[in-house]
Amino acid sequence: DAGVTQSPTHLIKTRGQQVTLRCSPKSGHDTVSWYQQALGQGPQFIFQYYEEEERQRGNFPDRFSGHQFPNYSSELNVNALLLGDSALYLCASSLVSWEDGELFFGEGSRLTVL
Amino acid sequence: GQNIDQPTEMTATEGAIVQINCTYQTSGFNGLFWYQQHAGEAPTFLSYNVLDGLEEKGRFSSFLSRSKGYSYLLLKELQMKDSASYLCAAASGFQKLVFGTGTRLLVSP
Repeated sequence: DAGVTQSPTHLIKTRGQQVTLRCSPKSGHDTVSWYQQALGQGPQFIFQYYEEEERQRGNFPDRFSGHQFPNYSSELNVNALLLGDSALYLCASSLVSWEDGELFFGEGSRLTVL
Repeated sequence: GQNIDQPTEMTATEGAIVQINCTYQTSGFNGLFWYQQHAGEAPTFLSYNVLDGLEEKGRFSSFLSRSKGYSYLLLKELQMKDSASYLCAAASGFQKLVFGTGTRLLVSP
């Protein structure tokens, strides 16, 4: 049973470019959340998707957008990249019923902006 | 506001016991998580407490006091592989986790 998978694992972009990160949730999970983790910090909540809609959003600008597909997979898009967007981007999946607090993270996509 | 506080760094010796404390202040509290994170890797789930009390899982135990906004993670029989960052996170609202900056634990021989 595959856990949460993310792609790509590493990527390098330059300022002003756009990036798309992808996430496939754990089998059976229907809710996907995205987090940004800067070096030496804890993860920060970006937003969450359920039933193909953004359900909650953290304190991130509109440059950060996302999408959830009918198969529950999700994408995170970041436009007009800034140096400060360099971070590990983590995807977490769960069931909307939140059974026993089951929420698992993928290995992350490490984005470097030059 | 929302705030999670935990020590930045702790050191301990192999075979010893260490307790990592966490205080939290969040709206719509819905449980307290602990994750382990090795450098360059994703967080790995350790525990979830929603009711007051102690939950034990092998060498790891986690405690929660909702009235005090306080939790701790207890690691027993420390091993070198336990050297990692330990993240405390409060669930706020609908499955939104608010993380602390993490406690970096160094286990020495």
